Amino acid sequence: AQKVTQAQTEISVVEKEDVTLDCVYETRDTTYYLFWYKQPPSGELVFLIRRNSFDEQNEISGRYSWNFQKSTSSFNFTITASQVVDSAVYFCALKDTGFQKLVFGTGTRLLVSP
Amino acid sequence: DADVTQTPRNRITKTGKRIMLECSQTKGHDRMYWYRQDPGLGLRLIYYSFDVKDINKGEISDGYSVSRQAQAKFSLSLESAIPNQTALYFCATSDWQLNQPQHFGDGTRLSIL
Repeated sequence: AQKVTQAQTEISVVEKEDVTLDCVYETRDTTYYLFWYKQPPSGELVFLIRRNSFDEQNEISGRYSWNFQKSTSSFNFTITASQVVDSAVYFCALKDTGFQKLVFGTGTRLLVSP
Repeated sequence: DADVTQTPRNRITKTGKRIMLECSQTKGHDRMYWYRQDPGLGLRLIYYSFDVKDINKGEISDGYSVSRQAQAKFSLSLESAIPNQTALYFCATSDWQLNQPQHFGDGTRLSIL
């Protein structure tokens, strides 16, 4: 069965700190896709990144970086030098070829204080 | 204009009422989905449709029904609303390719008194 675990319910940091949001997934498929979404206080869901199972290259986009490790079934998200605008709920999600639909983790609420 | 539009954005209603949430999209996607979000539970799939003639139950379909009126329209109905259906509801669309992300509407905040 497919499952995504985000063990961190809430994280609080002070602006400019680095923060890592953990995501652990389970799937029996060898081909699958991992996603991160951001939900700011306004409530909409914003797509951040996609990673496929056969590409283990880490990715950096500005202050955001993602570390994909198949050996530990993890797809962690790091924000460097956090800002107040990063305050949001972040969701990790999995889609595999069997289920073909997104399975979401329960989300991590990030609070960045000035 | 938004690619995925949900109406209404907010709704307060009473127990036992029938409610319809509507979703329309301009992305040309065949696949559409309805989710509900509850605090601490993430997003859970209610129903999904891979094309106009295809409707499938998700993990929490009890108490809900859907209608796919056209490629661009997918409606969610609560036949007789109950308080534990109070939640934030999202419609989403996606391309058939699995590596493509789902695109979400802005959500409908539904409160049932």
